[in-house]
Formats: sequence, C-alpha cells, structure tokens
Amino acid sequence: KAGVTQTPRYLIKTRGQQVTLSCSPISGHRSVSWYQQTPGQGLQFLFEYFSETQRNKGNFPGRFSGRQFSNSRSEMNVSTLELGDSALYLCASSLFGQRSGANVLTFGAGSRLTVL
Amino acid sequence: AQKVTQAQTEISVVEKEDVTLDCVYETRDTTYYLFWYKQPPSGELVFLIRRNSFDEQNEISGRYSWNFQKSTSSFNFTITASQVVDSAVYFCALKDGAQKLVFGQGTRLTINP
Repeated sequence: KAGVTQTPRYLIKTRGQQVTLSCSPISGHRSVSWYQQTPGQGLQFLFEYFSETQRNKGNFPGRFSGRQFSNSRSEMNVSTLELGDSALYLCASSLFGQRSGANVLTFGAGSRLTVL
Repeated sequence: AQKVTQAQTEISVVEKEDVTLDCVYETRDTTYYLFWYKQPPSGELVFLIRRNSFDEQNEISGRYSWNFQKSTSSFNFTITASQVVDSAVYFCALKDGAQKLVFGQGTRLTINP
C-alpha cells in the first residue's frame, strides 16, 4: 500500500513568487491535513480538507490556501512568498477527518521550501 | 486551549542506556487523545502510539513503553536499552474538541554508539 506522496520534495523560490505543493493521500483516505514545520515555531496546523471541503484552518495569513480534488489529492499554495515561509511542509492523510478523535494521521516525507 | 510541552529540547545518551522523554499537556476537555510520533532524518512523521483520555493503562511495545498519568497531565515515553536507530526527533501530540492535532516542540534524541 503506497504511503502519502508529496511533490516536489525540495524547491527554492525567491521572495514575491508563489508556490504550489502537491499531496497524494493513501488510497481510500478522504482527509488531508497540512502542517508547516520550522525550527522556531515547530509543527503548526495549516488546514484540513475532507471530501473537497475545508474543515478546519490554522492561524495563517490568507496567502496560504489549499484545495482538495475529487480523488482526494490536495494542493496547497503560498502566494507572495516571504523569507519566513521557508519550512518543511508536511501533508498527512487519514481515513476519517480530524473530527474523529481516534483518527491517526499518516504523514508524507514533506516538501522542503527555501525562500531566498 | 490545547497545549503540549516537551521541556527536553535535546537528549544525548550512550547506546543501551534507558531514556525517558517527557510530555505534559493542557486541555479543558474530558475526552481527548494523546499521540507520540517519531521523525527520522528522512522527514516523515511516523506514528508510534495513541491513547485516549479514558484509558490510563500503561503500554509496552518491545523496548518502548508509555506512562499516561491524568493526575499530572503527563504522557511520558521510555525507550529501554536504546539503540543508535532510535536517534530521531520525537513529538508528543494532543487532539481534543478543537479537532486539530497539536504538537509539542519535539525532543531531539541522539543515541551515541
């Protein structure tokens, strides 16, 4: 069974540009959550999508957005990149949404974004 | 509000030593779930264990054991007879009624040969 696949694994952008990251969940999983990981702030929740609907959103500016397609694949977009957006972006999928308390998230290896 | 505190930023021990990673959580909910994840250098978070708030039984899985104490709001993780392959960053996490998984800052564990 394939795991959570994130592409690209590494990318370098310059300030002001935008970036799109992709996440393919485990087959059959309908929920995709995104997290940002930085040395200073740790792991912070960005948003969760379930059946193409955003279920929950973290405390990030509107430059961060996402969507989910009918096949459960998800993309997140960051516009007008800032130096502080440099981070590891982790995607996680689960069978049920995060509303299901016992739900276990399975994470991908992440997309490491460097903003110059 | 949900909060998870892992006071130990880094721990370094010699192989075969036992090591305990501390985790203290805060929540106002009576129903909640606690997790431990391991993050090796490759980057992905690997699920280790989940505990719900109504189950205070300790758990042992091979060299790993977890001690859940509601009285002190702690969910500590012990590795017995540590091995070099245990080197990683370990995260404790909490999910309550706010419905999103909140992580602690992580503990970087280094096992030296």
